[in-house]
Amino acid sequence: GQNIDQPTEMTATEGAIVQINCTYQTSGFNGLFWYQQHAGEAPTFLSYNVLDGLEEKGRFSSFLSRSKGYSYLLLKELQMKDSASYLCAVSRGGGNKLTFGTGTQLKVEL
Amino acid sequence: EPEVTQTPSHQVTQMGQEVILRCVPISNHLYFYWYRQILGQKVEFLVSFYNNEISEKSEIFDDQFSVERPDGSNFTLKIRSTKLEDSAMYFCASSAGDSHYGYTFGSGTRLTVV
Repeated sequence: GQNIDQPTEMTATEGAIVQINCTYQTSGFNGLFWYQQHAGEAPTFLSYNVLDGLEEKGRFSSFLSRSKGYSYLLLKELQMKDSASYLCAVSRGGGNKLTFGTGTQLKVEL
Repeated sequence: EPEVTQTPSHQVTQMGQEVILRCVPISNHLYFYWYRQILGQKVEFLVSFYNNEISEKSEIFDDQFSVERPDGSNFTLKIRSTKLEDSAMYFCASSAGDSHYGYTFGSGTRLTVV
């Protein structure tokens, strides 16, 4: 079966750095995605990792270790608008269907 | 920036009724998907569609559900004989097939079955 684990909630301070971890166990693996979701809205694509290592995109970076079934999303210079749910998702199968974790609710405080 | 458009944004229906949720994917995308998210729960895969046929479906996608691409632009999800537990946010998504850019999700249809 598939299992994707991430912390339920995290709190961080504006301007700080936060790391959101994700571990996964899945049959078949095409890549790992991170999405941001504000309450009542659609998920928005943040990053994609298919090879081991770090992908950097502005204030956001994502890391993948396929051998460990582990990824993290790093958010730098946190802003209040970064308060949202961050979803880890694994892509599997020929149609690249996504299996999502339950999401990590990040609260950014002053 | 290209968008995936979903209509309606909200739908309230009586239990046992049929509903059709509509989506217009990004025009040059080839892969289409439906996902749902029950309030407070994770996003769940329903079905993927490529080359005018279903390429994969989940256990949730039983005979109650069907998808169709009736013309070159629309992609619909039909739910027959709705149940209370079908109440959820339904997201349409499309992809060009290049995973590097991920899917683009529509803004969703909130379905409430009463």
